[in-house]
Amino acid sequence: QKEVEQDPGPLSVPEGAIVSLNCTYSNSAFQYFMWYRQYSRKGPELLMYTYSSGNKEDGRFTAQVDKSSKYISLFIRDSQPSDSATYLCAMSAGAGNMLTFGGGTRLMVKP
Amino acid sequence: ETGVTQSPTHLIKTRGQQVTLRCSSQSGHNTVSWYQQALGQGPQFIFQYYREEENGRGNFPPRFSGLQFPNYSSELNVNALELDDSALYLCASSLLQGAYNEQFFGPGTRLTVL
Repeated sequence: QKEVEQDPGPLSVPEGAIVSLNCTYSNSAFQYFMWYRQYSRKGPELLMYTYSSGNKEDGRFTAQVDKSSKYISLFIRDSQPSDSATYLCAMSAGAGNMLTFGGGTRLMVKP
Repeated sequence: ETGVTQSPTHLIKTRGQQVTLRCSSQSGHNTVSWYQQALGQGPQFIFQYYREEENGRGNFPPRFSGLQFPNYSSELNVNALELDDSALYLCASSLLQGAYNEQFFGPGTRLTVL
């Protein structure tokens, strides 16, 4: 079993839909939780990070962490075709430590 | 501010050969991490360098080695290449300080081993 599990998709939604992306993990030492977006043939770019449990909102994006359930989510409101990409969750036990990634979910937003 | 750059963009090698990949960190960063991303999978941590010393290593064999230079640029060396080494190799730089240290990724080097 992988340390971080993520549904690979693809997830196809119409423009304007609310998108929900999720990851589960097994390592209770993880304290930092991140969501990256990766376009084809590009490196990952950080969307949001959260420390420990709780919610964080940034524009159309909301990240949620539930450490008791070992479950994290990313919500995208009013999804746009430009949001079409692979979304990677990542976690680490320390601030500067190695990142453990999920396998990524491919999202397609259709006009 | 200059972002993270990697060279070469693409590389084709044959099994058993050796390869060196290069990374130039973002200005002001003192830490570089390397990741391997196989097709359709998430990146896997190889190792991290902080101020020219290895600062952590993932589950990769010793034929994966690295260097960080005084200007904080870095190299990833892979000896005795295997077919399974075919992947996108990503480097990420960060400034190791404080409570959270965002890692900024380069565009990657795509390695194909035949």
